[in-house]
Amino acid sequence: GAVVSQHPSWVICKSGTSVKIECRSLDFQATTMFWYRQFPKQSLMLMATSNEGSKATYEQGVEKDKFLINHASLTLSTLTVTSAHPEDSSFYICSARAFGTTENTEAFFGQGTRLTVV
Amino acid sequence: AQSVTQLGSHVSVSEGALVLLRCNYSSSVPPYLFWYVQYPNQGLQLLLKYTSAATLVKGINGFEAEFKKSETSFHLTKPSAHMSDAAEYFCAVCDTGTYKYIFGTGTRLKVLA
Repeated sequence: GAVVSQHPSWVICKSGTSVKIECRSLDFQATTMFWYRQFPKQSLMLMATSNEGSKATYEQGVEKDKFLINHASLTLSTLTVTSAHPEDSSFYICSARAFGTTENTEAFFGQGTRLTVV
Repeated sequence: AQSVTQLGSHVSVSEGALVLLRCNYSSSVPPYLFWYVQYPNQGLQLLLKYTSAATLVKGINGFEAEFKKSETSFHLTKPSAHMSDAAEYFCAVCDTGTYKYIFGTGTRLKVLA
C-alpha cells in the first residue's frame, strides 16, 4: 500500500509553453501533498504544500504564479509550470501524507518527473 | 528550525566493506528521521525511519541506523557493501507539525569492485 504515482515520468516542452504534472495517491487519501524540486546532483528543495480544497502554501522564493498547484481531490494534486523556460528544467517530486491512518509518521514519494525545457 | 547535515558528499568503499554514511540533525523537538536512497532519474525509496521507538532501526537491503540523541546523529550503516548499493543517499528530518521534510545535501556512494 501507500503508493504515490506521478505522471508523466519525463516531459520535454518548448520554452514559453506550460506543462502539467500529476501526483496521485493510488491506495490512500492524501490530505496534504508536497512538491519538491531537485536540481542535478543536488538535494530536494520543498516548493510548496498543498491541502485538499485550499490554496497551496509556497516556500519563500518560489513563484506561485509560475508554479500553479491544484489539489482538487484527496487523491490528486497537480503542478503546472507556466511559461516554462530552460531554467525550469529540473526533477520534480511529489509526496503525499495519508489521511485518517495510524501511519502518519511519514509521507510517501512519487517516482519523480524529469522536465526538460528546450 | 530543523536542519540536517550530511558529512561527505561522496563516499567510496570497496565491495564487502563497511558502509558508513553520516547524518547529524538539529531539532528543538524529538525528530522523525529518515534515510532514503535514490537511483539515477528515479524517485526516493525509503530505507528506514526513526519515529521515537527503538533507537537502533533496521531497514531494507541490510541497512540500519542508530539514533543518538546525545550526538544528534542518525548515521546509516551496512556491514558489507554490494555493487547494487551505489546510489545517492539522503537523510531527512520531518517536521511533525507540518510534515514537511527537510533533506540533507545527499551522499553519493560509490562501491569499488
